[in-house]
Amino acid sequence: SQTIHQWPATLVQPVGSPLSLECTVEGTSNPNLYWYRQAAGRGLQLLFYSVGIGQISSEVPQNLSASRPQDRQFILSSKKLLLSDSGFYLCAWSITGQKGNQPQHFGDGTRLSIL
Amino acid sequence: GQNIDQPTEMTATEGAIVQINCTYQTSGFNGLFWYQQHAGEAPTFLSYNVLDGLEEKGRFSSFLSRSKGYSYLLLKELQMKDSASYLCAVRDSNYQLIWGAGTKLIIKP
Repeated sequence: SQTIHQWPATLVQPVGSPLSLECTVEGTSNPNLYWYRQAAGRGLQLLFYSVGIGQISSEVPQNLSASRPQDRQFILSSKKLLLSDSGFYLCAWSITGQKGNQPQHFGDGTRLSIL
Repeated sequence: GQNIDQPTEMTATEGAIVQINCTYQTSGFNGLFWYQQHAGEAPTFLSYNVLDGLEEKGRFSSFLSRSKGYSYLLLKELQMKDSASYLCAVRDSNYQLIWGAGTKLIIKP
């Protein structure tokens, strides 16, 4: 069966510091991968998605970036965090193609607090 | 623009039935999803509708009317563990999910 791992679970970082969140998927090949951010009481905001190694699409202009160095690894990074980067970050995967009734499956999330 | 509307919060009684509505306006339609999200946790998939009508899955059912841009999630025999947020998401013409802000459901004994 497929599993998704995301870490760390919680992170407290000072303003201006760098960020690296990692997500890996097991049990499937060539998944679509996603990074979302969820502010308190708000819906999910899609940040990045990837349909293959090295292929990254950005949905929202910001100081974050994403990379996919391996088929089942997705990394969210920042060189300098802002206060507004605080939130709940979620990684998700889905079967390639997104056709049909295949949902997205989420990791446990990272709660990021910027001080 | 694309928009998904859900009530912000609803309250129901243990053992009762509750209906959570979702209306949407999106560029294209390729299916509607309902997710459950407990506080502090990740969303988990509940149901999928792409054709008009009712899909039943145990205590949960989901309905879709594409002509009206409308869906609802029906929860029967409510249990305390059903206290959570319920997220409606629509897959648009680019096969991206557009998410509603979620409905926080509070279950009272």
